[in-house]
Amino acid sequence: QKEVEQDPGPLSVPEGAIVSLNCTYSNSAFQYFMWYRQYSRKGPELLMYTYSSGNKEDGRFTAQVDKSSKYISLFIRDSQPSDSATYLCAMSAGGTSYGKLTFGQGTILTVHP
Amino acid sequence: GAVVSQHPSWVICKSGTSVKIECRSLDFQATTMFWYRQFPKQSLMLMATSNEGSKATYEQGVEKDKFLINHASLTLSTLTVTSAHPEDSSFYICSARQGQGYTFGSGTRLTVV
Repeated sequence: QKEVEQDPGPLSVPEGAIVSLNCTYSNSAFQYFMWYRQYSRKGPELLMYTYSSGNKEDGRFTAQVDKSSKYISLFIRDSQPSDSATYLCAMSAGGTSYGKLTFGQGTILTVHP
Repeated sequence: GAVVSQHPSWVICKSGTSVKIECRSLDFQATTMFWYRQFPKQSLMLMATSNEGSKATYEQGVEKDKFLINHASLTLSTLTVTSAHPEDSSFYICSARQGQGYTFGSGTRLTVV
């Protein structure tokens, strides 16, 4: 079993739709949770960073963490064609593992006009 | 925001030769950098942690003699793929921690022919 599971999609939605992306994890040591967006042949770009259970909002993006269920989500409101990319969840434990990110497989999202 | 510059963005080399990839933190000092590898349509896999002034820490299964890492200054880490073979063809990405989250370079696409 992979430490982090993410549905690879692909996911195709119309412009303006609400997008929900999810990851589950098995390592209870993970304390820091991130969402990255990656365009083709580019490095990942940080979208959201959180370290506690609950919701965190930034513009059209909302990150949700449920540590009891080992489940995280990213919601994108009013999706735009420019949101079309691969979305990666990433997690890190503290202590000696601090800084080492474990990524999900990535979900390919296409927002069509 | 924090910028990590990675060069070259792509390189083609002959089998048996060595290739060096540079990763620079442009506006901050990074005592620790991370090197990842990404195969097509797959997620990022951590290869090694690069520590300024000391030896790199390699993940299980990564050959340290094949993937030489040098972190000679607080702003520069290099990854050298030695005696490259076609199976080393991949997308290599570096990252560094800056504030919350981790900033990634733009990646290097290596093709070994």
